[in-house]
Amino acid sequence: AQSVTQPDIHITVSEGASLELRCNYSYGATPYLFWYVQSPGQGLQLLLKYFSGDTLVQGIKGFEAEFKRSQSSFNLRKPSVHWSDAAEYFCAVARNSGNTPLVFGKGTRLSVIA
Amino acid sequence: DAGVIQSPRHEVTEMGQEVTLRCKPISGHNSLFWYRQTMMRGLELLIYFNNNVPIDDSGMPEDRFSAKMPNASFSTLKIQPSEPRDSAVYFCASTRDTDTQYFGPGTRLTVL
Repeated sequence: AQSVTQPDIHITVSEGASLELRCNYSYGATPYLFWYVQSPGQGLQLLLKYFSGDTLVQGIKGFEAEFKRSQSSFNLRKPSVHWSDAAEYFCAVARNSGNTPLVFGKGTRLSVIA
Repeated sequence: DAGVIQSPRHEVTEMGQEVTLRCKPISGHNSLFWYRQTMMRGLELLIYFNNNVPIDDSGMPEDRFSAKMPNASFSTLKIQPSEPRDSAVYFCASTRDTDTQYFGPGTRLTVL
């Protein structure tokens, strides 16, 4: 069965600092990987996804993620965090692209301080 | 595009009452998913449909939960009778073929 681990429950960074959110997955085959962001009281918005090809994927809002098969990881990064990035971030894996159920990690809450 | 539409956005009900949550997927999408989000369990799949047919309902917690998709533009999730432990945020998501899942804003359910 697939599973996703986000080791950090809560991270606080200063505005303008770099950010890395960790995600490890467990799945036997090539996974389909996603990062979603959830602002308070809102639904989930897709930041980026990896299906195949280049292991460094670019997303919206200046985010990127790198797929590392050897480490079973798909960490999310941003070089300079803005106050508006404060939200909950979820890593997810699916068996086959987007039309099969997503298995989510427990999420990482990001706080941004001045 | 209007996105995935869910109603109501908030629902407060008393234990034992029937609750119906509604979802309108994005036009043209052929897969629909119901997820539930709680503090304890995080985001978990309840059921999903492909071309209006239920494919996997193994996440539906009990017989008190049922879901239908009578046509491509509408789905319901019903809880009867509701219990306080059903309090959660319920999300609907839709996708077309192998594309990305797009989520609705969710319904926050509180069962007293």
